[in-house]
Amino acid sequence: DGGITQSPKYLFRKEGQNVTLSCEQNLNHDAMYWYRQDPGQGLRLIYYSQIVNDFQKGDIAEGYSVSREKKESFPLTVTSAQKNPTAFYLCASSIFSGGPGELFFGEGSRLTVL
Amino acid sequence: AQRVTQPEKLLSVFKGAPVELKCNYSYSGSPELFWYVQYSRQRLQLLLRHISRESIKGFTADLNKGETSFHLKKPFAQEEDSAMYYCALRDGTLTFGKGTMLLVSP
Repeated sequence: DGGITQSPKYLFRKEGQNVTLSCEQNLNHDAMYWYRQDPGQGLRLIYYSQIVNDFQKGDIAEGYSVSREKKESFPLTVTSAQKNPTAFYLCASSIFSGGPGELFFGEGSRLTVL
Repeated sequence: AQRVTQPEKLLSVFKGAPVELKCNYSYSGSPELFWYVQYSRQRLQLLLRHISRESIKGFTADLNKGETSFHLKKPFAQEEDSAMYYCALRDGTLTFGKGTMLLVSP
């Protein structure tokens, strides 16, 4: 089954803990993205990567970190510095960043900070 | 500055009624605009892009550069159209609006 796989679907974290969300794609896409989805806020870009070993900050990168060691994988770490981490996180990929604009999304990961 | 504005959080219509989901954008140059849709318990997915000038599931959207708008329209809404709709602008990456929830009642 091809596409974008995010894990875990649900995650609970205590305040002060870092947590890493996984995103894997088997579409052979060059570009990958992390968005945060909050009610009434739409989707806001956290980080994106156009090629392996390179990534750029999006609009709300503070408190987050990413890596892109493999083309297929783009994990997101929500650090303790993120002030409001409880949210729904969406990973996406596209052929390349300057491409036709179709993003393929995962099912999302819901993070709740207790 | 907000580049994509969707003024309605919620749009509620009856089955068979016309639907117009509003989207206004702010961009210098030639914009590339898209509509994405998220049905209940499904992934966010592309509905249509302005460059294709296509009709998908009866929906169309015309780019109006004079009014900087890209409204999504359907002449007769169906219950299965109920979903969250996002307008998006490509400016290197995709910038999304805040979304409009469409509810179609029987």
